[in-house]
Amino acid sequence: GQNIDQPTEMTATEGAIVQINCTYQTSGFNGLFWYQQHAGEAPTFLSYNVLDGLEEKGRFSSFLSRSKGYSYLLLKELQMKDSASYLCAVRENDYKLSFGAGTTVTVRA
Amino acid sequence: DTGVSQDPRHKITKRGQNVTFRCDPISEHNRLYWYRQTLGQGPEFLTYFQNEAQLEKSRLLSDRFSAERPKGSFSTLEIQRTEQGDSAMYLCASNGGRRGYEQYFGPGTRLTVT
Repeated sequence: GQNIDQPTEMTATEGAIVQINCTYQTSGFNGLFWYQQHAGEAPTFLSYNVLDGLEEKGRFSSFLSRSKGYSYLLLKELQMKDSASYLCAVRENDYKLSFGAGTTVTVRA
Repeated sequence: DTGVSQDPRHKITKRGQNVTFRCDPISEHNRLYWYRQTLGQGPEFLTYFQNEAQLEKSRLLSDRFSAERPKGSFSTLEIQRTEQGDSAMYLCASNGGRRGYEQYFGPGTRLTVT
């Protein structure tokens, strides 16, 4: 079966940095996604890593180590609107995504 | 581009009734997916279409579930004889074209079975 682990909850202060870790053991690997999901809304795409290393996109960065089965999402300069669930998802083949349970990030003033 | 749309957004039904949901993907996308999401969990893959062909169904999709994409455009997901355990958010996603790896999600249909 698939095993994708991420912390359940994290809390941080506005303006701070938070790092959300994700470890995975899946039958196949064809890339790793991070999605953001606000309560009651659809997941929205944040980042995609297929090769090892860091991908930076504005305040958000994502890192992948395929040999370690590990990724993290780094959120910098946190804003209140960043309070949401962050989903780690592994693309197992050409089309199928397997998601972790999500990490709920709460940003406090 | 209006994004992925789903209808209805909310559905309350009594146990044993049949329900049908509709998904309209982004027009140029040839791939369409259905997921189910329960509270505190990530989306779980249910099924996948490439054009009108249903290429994979999860073991989560019991005989009471059926999905179609008759003309390779919109898709329907039907649940027969609903059970309380079917209560969840049903998400549709699509992709294809140049950024084929990114799945775009619709707003979901929240089903409550009483």
